[in-house]
Amino acid sequence: KQEVTQIPAALSVPEGENLVLNCSFTDSAIYNLQWFRQDPGKGLTSLLLIQSSQREQTSGRLNASLDKSSGRSTLYIAASQPGDSATYLCAVDNNDMRFGAGTRLTVKP
Amino acid sequence: NAGVTQTPKFQVLKTGQSMTLQCAQDMNHEYMSWYRQDPGMGLRLIHYSVGAGITDQGEVPNGYNVSRSTTEDFPLRLLSAAPSQTSVYFCASSSSTPTNTGELFFGEGSRLTVL
Repeated sequence: KQEVTQIPAALSVPEGENLVLNCSFTDSAIYNLQWFRQDPGKGLTSLLLIQSSQREQTSGRLNASLDKSSGRSTLYIAASQPGDSATYLCAVDNNDMRFGAGTRLTVKP
Repeated sequence: NAGVTQTPKFQVLKTGQSMTLQCAQDMNHEYMSWYRQDPGMGLRLIHYSVGAGITDQGEVPNGYNVSRSTTEDFPLRLLSAAPSQTSVYFCASSSSTPTNTGELFFGEGSRLTVL
């Protein structure tokens, strides 16, 4: 059974800092990995999708990497802003989607 | 620009009552799914469908039924509500292939409380 873990559970940083969120998974036979953002009381918004054949994806200030052999992905956020405050979840797809519990990010002005 | 629409947004039930959570998408996606989100546990897959007339169980299917009569709609039925089903429910869809779920689009969620 696929297990997805996100560390840390919560993170607070000052505005402008670069930061890394971590996601690990136990079964490396995945089709893809996705990173999502969730604002309080809202649904999830897909940020980046990395196919199993890819090593990374970039969108604006976001960069996600994937290392299947070690069962790890990282989400790098450059020059963080208060508007980045949200919960970030990763999910892996191997026949069904398994989600981590998320990292709650707070960026202080 | 609707995307994935869920109704109702909030619902309170008494133990033993039944209800249906509605989900509709206007993106012509073949893949649709239902998740529940509980504090500290992430999202867990309840049921999913890869096309009209095809449904399958996810990680936590007990107490829930689904059907997929059209590409657009994927309702989730609670047959006899229990307090353990108090949760936030999310519907999601994607234009998947048989081996790849693809980018998931989520609804805004339905918050259910069972007393």
